[in-house]
Amino acid sequence: EDQVTQSPEALRLQEGESSSLNCSYTVSGLRGLFWYRQDPGKGPEFLFTLYSAGEEKEKERLKATLTKKESFLHITAPKPEDSATYLCAVQGSSYKLIFGSGTRLLVRP
Amino acid sequence: EAQVTQNPRYLITVTGKKLTVTCSQNMNHEYMSWYRQDPGLGLRQIYYSMNVEVTDKGDVPEGYKVSRKEKRNFPLILESPSPNQTSLYFCASSTGTTNNEQFFGPGTRLTVL
Repeated sequence: EDQVTQSPEALRLQEGESSSLNCSYTVSGLRGLFWYRQDPGKGPEFLFTLYSAGEEKEKERLKATLTKKESFLHITAPKPEDSATYLCAVQGSSYKLIFGSGTRLLVRP
Repeated sequence: EAQVTQNPRYLITVTGKKLTVTCSQNMNHEYMSWYRQDPGLGLRQIYYSMNVEVTDKGDVPEGYKVSRKEKRNFPLILESPSPNQTSLYFCASSTGTTNNEQFFGPGTRLTVL
């Protein structure tokens, strides 16, 4: 059964304090691993797609990496506006998308 | 403006009263999907559609129906809603089945009494 586990559930950082979020997954025939950002009361917003182990993607202060068992979302020198819930999802050999329960990030000034 | 719209945004109803939540996208996307989001459980896929007249079950399809008669619309139907379907619902669309840069709608908050 395809499964996604995200850790930690919640993370508090000071502005400028870099850290990483983890997404562990088991999936049959990975088609892609996806990262989304969700602000309170809004729909998720797409960040990255990673297709194969070793792949990396970057966007501003965010960098996503992928291995055969997990993905990391690295946040470098975060700012308060980076506060949000970060969601990881995988798509396997079916076309279903399986989401993790997310990591709530709070960046304090 | 490229967008996914959902209606209604908020709905309070009673057990057993049939309802439909509409979803429409203006990006000519092939893939559309419905999710429910519950505290501690994350986003769970209800149904998805890879194209017109092609739909398939996600992880939590029980109690829901969908149809895809036109490319732009993907309504979610609850024929006999129950309190355990109280949730926040999101519709999403993307260009293809594997390029999953999904665009999400604003959400519909449903309460079933």
